[in-house]
Amino acid sequence: NAGVTQTPKFQVLKTGQSMTLQCAQDMNHNSMYWYRQDPGMGLRLIYYSASEGTTDKGEVPNGYNVSRLNKREFSLRLESAAPSQTSVYFCASSEFRQGNQPQHFGDGTRLSIL
Amino acid sequence: AQSVAQPEDQVNVAEGNPLTVKCTYSVSGNPYLFWYVQYPNRGLQFLLKYITGDNLVKGSYGFEAEFNKSQTSFHLKKPSALVSDSALYFCAVRERNAGNNRKLIWGLGTSLAVNP
Repeated sequence: NAGVTQTPKFQVLKTGQSMTLQCAQDMNHNSMYWYRQDPGMGLRLIYYSASEGTTDKGEVPNGYNVSRLNKREFSLRLESAAPSQTSVYFCASSEFRQGNQPQHFGDGTRLSIL
Repeated sequence: AQSVAQPEDQVNVAEGNPLTVKCTYSVSGNPYLFWYVQYPNRGLQFLLKYITGDNLVKGSYGFEAEFNKSQTSFHLKKPSALVSDSALYFCAVRERNAGNNRKLIWGLGTSLAVNP
């Protein structure tokens, strides 16, 4: 049981480059989330998807786009990377339950923008 | 403003001793409350949550947390700490009547070190 799988684990980009962070879950969860984690800032929600075919902005969506390709996969795209997007990115998933909290997290993508 | 405070950046305890990681919040109404743990270079793991009912909530790995409405606190506890409990712990809160708003308000984390 893999849970939530994120690829790649590490990536270095130059300013202006684009890339897509991949996330897949095998728990048949409806909800999926993208967070970024920065020192002194805690976790911040970038986008979430309540179910296949729907996406909504979180706290810090600027500079990002997402695609909920199917129930399993939720990708995050940086169209033109900026140094301020250097961070650790976490994907998470959850089933719909009272409280609606993310239950399972991937191990993160460590992204550096030069 | 809504906020979650974890007043201690680091907590040190000896193995076998009880541990407490503190969390207080400022959110309107009766919120949902959560604890997560993060081991080095790993994603967060959900530990436990308070939704309603008994103020003492039991979770994974022998952890429990006590909801105190008057003190707006949700402290994480464990009767006997293990070295393997050493990790980063996050408290999070969500408004009860937020509808489809998935925003959790996160604390900045407390690093727990359990010494052998």
